[in-house]
Amino acid sequence: DAGVIQSPRHEVTEMGQEVTLRCKPISGHNSLFWYRQTMMRGLELLIYFNNNVPIDDSGMPEDRFSAKMPNASFSTLKIQPSEPRDSAVYFCASSLAARNTGELFFGEGSRLTVL
Amino acid sequence: GNSVTQMEGPVTLSEEAFLTINCTYTATGYPSLFWYVQYPGEGLQLLLKATKADDKGSNKGFEATYRKETTSFHLEKGSVQVSDSAVYFCALSGAAGNKLTFGGGTRVLVKP
Repeated sequence: DAGVIQSPRHEVTEMGQEVTLRCKPISGHNSLFWYRQTMMRGLELLIYFNNNVPIDDSGMPEDRFSAKMPNASFSTLKIQPSEPRDSAVYFCASSLAARNTGELFFGEGSRLTVL
Repeated sequence: GNSVTQMEGPVTLSEEAFLTINCTYTATGYPSLFWYVQYPGEGLQLLLKATKADDKGSNKGFEATYRKETTSFHLEKGSVQVSDSAVYFCALSGAAGNKLTFGGGTRVLVKP
């Protein structure tokens, strides 16, 4: 079975450019999470969706960040304009909300470098 | 709010040594507790979990016991292998379903 699929795996861009990260959750999962991982701040929850609806976006750092989930099989995280401090690994994870087991299935991450 | 504190790494040890990673938490109610592992270049994956006090989670030789009285969930393995080199994250889930709060992670390096 396919796991959570993220793209791109690596992105290098210049400050001020728009960055779009993509995620395809596991089929049948109805919760989707975006995390950011840095050495300084560890693993931070940015936003999560249940049934395509954003439930908690309190972790989104600022207005430059936005996330959408137009359907059950696709989500995007956009940064516009990007800044060097946005450099991090961004993880998408999905789960089956009804199970409420706390088991999240993570993608392999998108490593973003903003120069 | 909920929080998880785990020992800072890196933890470096020799193959077949005993591993302990401390984890304590602060939470309202009765959270479920988890250990996730992240191997180099990969996403996190669930290692083990415990859903109520005194439960013991175990997997791949790792164990952790949910201690409500000390609000702890320490991870242990009796004999580590080089392949156990990874970053280990303690986490808890609160009332909001699968929304997890993670600790800062502990890097473990096992040398042959």
